[in-house]
Amino acid sequence: NAGVMQNPRHLVRRRGQEARLRCSPMKGHSHVYWYRQLPEEGLKFMVYLQKENIIDESGMPKERFSAEFPKEGPSILRIQQVVRGDSAAYFCASSPLPANNSPLHFGNGTRLTVT
Amino acid sequence: SQQGEEDPQALSIQEGENATMNCSYKTSINNLQWYRQNSGRGLVHLILIRSNEREKHSGRLRVTLDTSKKSSSLLITASRAADTASYFCATDAWTGAQKLVFGQGTRLTINP
Repeated sequence: NAGVMQNPRHLVRRRGQEARLRCSPMKGHSHVYWYRQLPEEGLKFMVYLQKENIIDESGMPKERFSAEFPKEGPSILRIQQVVRGDSAAYFCASSPLPANNSPLHFGNGTRLTVT
Repeated sequence: SQQGEEDPQALSIQEGENATMNCSYKTSINNLQWYRQNSGRGLVHLILIRSNEREKHSGRLRVTLDTSKKSSSLLITASRAADTASYFCATDAWTGAQKLVFGQGTRLTINP
């Protein structure tokens, strides 16, 4: 059973471009979480999705950021018109149950660099 | 915010010694989880302890939870160089919010 797969591992974008980060959860997991991590810091919650539904997006900036988890295919975190402050590692995690009842399984992250 | 706060921020010990890391949080919880992160990698789940549990063991790991003090500790016994990593505690929210909030982490270095 493959783990959580994130791609790309590294992504470089110029200011103003769009960044698309993909996450394939573990087989059988319908709960997906996105976190952002700055160097030497902890993970900041961004959004929690179940298949086709956004459950909690309280950690996601209101503008430029969006997330989806379609019925078929991976979860996508989309950042439009990127700025230097978006540079960070973005981690996706999945679980078979909500995180208050189950450990999270993390991918190895996508490191976004905005130049 | 009920973010957990780990203490110390950094810890450096000799191989074979025990390492203790602490976590404090602000509001009531359903469970508390500990994770490890090696440099450049994702987090790996170590232990989940529920609010009605006081202590849990897994191999060389021992986790305690004191809900009256809103604190938890992670003890790694007989440390090895491979234990070098950052360790994070994460808490959920008693109110039912189905997400985990992570602390800033403790960076543990095991010197050979």
